[in-house]
Amino acid sequence: NAGVTQTPKFQVLKTGQSMTLQCAQDMNHNSMYWYRQDPGMGLRLIYYSASEGTTDKGEVPNGYNVSRLNKREFSLRLESAAPSQTSVYFCASSRGGAETQYFGPGTRLLVL
Amino acid sequence: TQLLEQSPQFLSIQEGENLTVYCNSSSVFSSLQWYRQEPGEGPVLLVTVVTGGEVKKLKRLTFQFGDARKDSSLHITAAQPGDTGLYLCAGVGSYQLTFGKGTKLSVIP
Repeated sequence: NAGVTQTPKFQVLKTGQSMTLQCAQDMNHNSMYWYRQDPGMGLRLIYYSASEGTTDKGEVPNGYNVSRLNKREFSLRLESAAPSQTSVYFCASSRGGAETQYFGPGTRLLVL
Repeated sequence: TQLLEQSPQFLSIQEGENLTVYCNSSSVFSSLQWYRQEPGEGPVLLVTVVTGGEVKKLKRLTFQFGDARKDSSLHITAAQPGDTGLYLCAGVGSYQLTFGKGTKLSVIP
């Protein structure tokens, strides 16, 4: 039981490049989430998927897109990376909205 | 937007000391969660408090939910170096959590 896995662990991009962050969970959870964590800012929700087939914007969605590929997988795409998107990105999953969220180990992204 | 304020932002104490960190909001939450995050890892849930006035104990950690369900505190007795980490409170909404900015705790041996 791996829980929530994220790839890659680290990534360096140049401004304007695109990339997709991958997330998968093996707990049969309905809901999945993408957060970014910046120093002094806590965790901010980018997008979430309450159930398979649905996605909704969170607090800071600009510059990102998501895909809930199936019940297990939820990807985050940066179409044209900007230095302001330098951050640590966490994926999480839960059985439902008010339930415990289980977090992955994070992806550290640096945009030059 | 519901906001959660955590204080203090940073706390550095000696092993064996007691400490309390706070989580305050102007809004009412149906429940509130506390997470701990160690360096290089994702947050891990410590506890969920649901009822106003509720007190939960987890070994040396005591969590309290305010009567009005707008505030919460975490008290650690006889802190250990293993308690070092970022403590985050999160208000529970219908489909998402609202996180505070966290209290970074360092326990010096």
